[in-house]
Amino acid sequence: DADVTQTPRNRITKTGKRIMLECSQTKGHDRMYWYRQDPGLGLRLIYYSFDVKDINKGEISDGYSVSRQAQAKFSLSLESAIPNQTALYFCATSDSGTGGGYTFGSGTRLTVV
Amino acid sequence: KNQVEQSPQSLIILEGKNCTLQCNYTVSPFSNLRWYKQDTGRGPVSLTIMTFSENTKSNGRYTATLDADTKQSSLHITASQLSDSASYICVVSYGNNRLAFGKGNQVVVIP
Repeated sequence: DADVTQTPRNRITKTGKRIMLECSQTKGHDRMYWYRQDPGLGLRLIYYSFDVKDINKGEISDGYSVSRQAQAKFSLSLESAIPNQTALYFCATSDSGTGGGYTFGSGTRLTVV
Repeated sequence: KNQVEQSPQSLIILEGKNCTLQCNYTVSPFSNLRWYKQDTGRGPVSLTIMTFSENTKSNGRYTATLDADTKQSSLHITASQLSDSASYICVVSYGNNRLAFGKGNQVVVIP
């Protein structure tokens, strides 16, 4: 089983719909992140959480919300999806401390039509 | 201005040949620098991690170098294989657990 599992892998949704992307991990890491990746723009941070009671906005949090349901679970929600939220979304985890490396999930390809 | 600049943006190389990817960064204070490989449609996977005191680190046919004084890093791929076709992302950790991502070097290896 993958260390970081994202569901769904692919999703097509209509403008205005609410959608949730889920992430679970078996790494035992305390830190979890949501990124989106667009062609030519690289990875951009949406939200991050350093523990269950900690939620922080990243550089592009507008239009998104998150929930850290447990240490192992971190979900990303689009309350009212819009076409420019079409992108590849990645969940990642890391250990606390500067030496901790990132483990990424396989990604969720979201298309908003 | 991007905090992490990678070059070339993309390149095509013949199978068996070597190539070098460049990463220049401006962020500080520096903690570490990682190179990731991202296959199409997959999440990035860590190749190497280098701290301030490390100049070079290898992982199989991948060798990363770091010059923390000039804030430059390179990733050298030796004897490229078709499976090396991917995007290679430079990620710099700095400050209070902050990360800066490069946009990636897209490598295509052709037979």
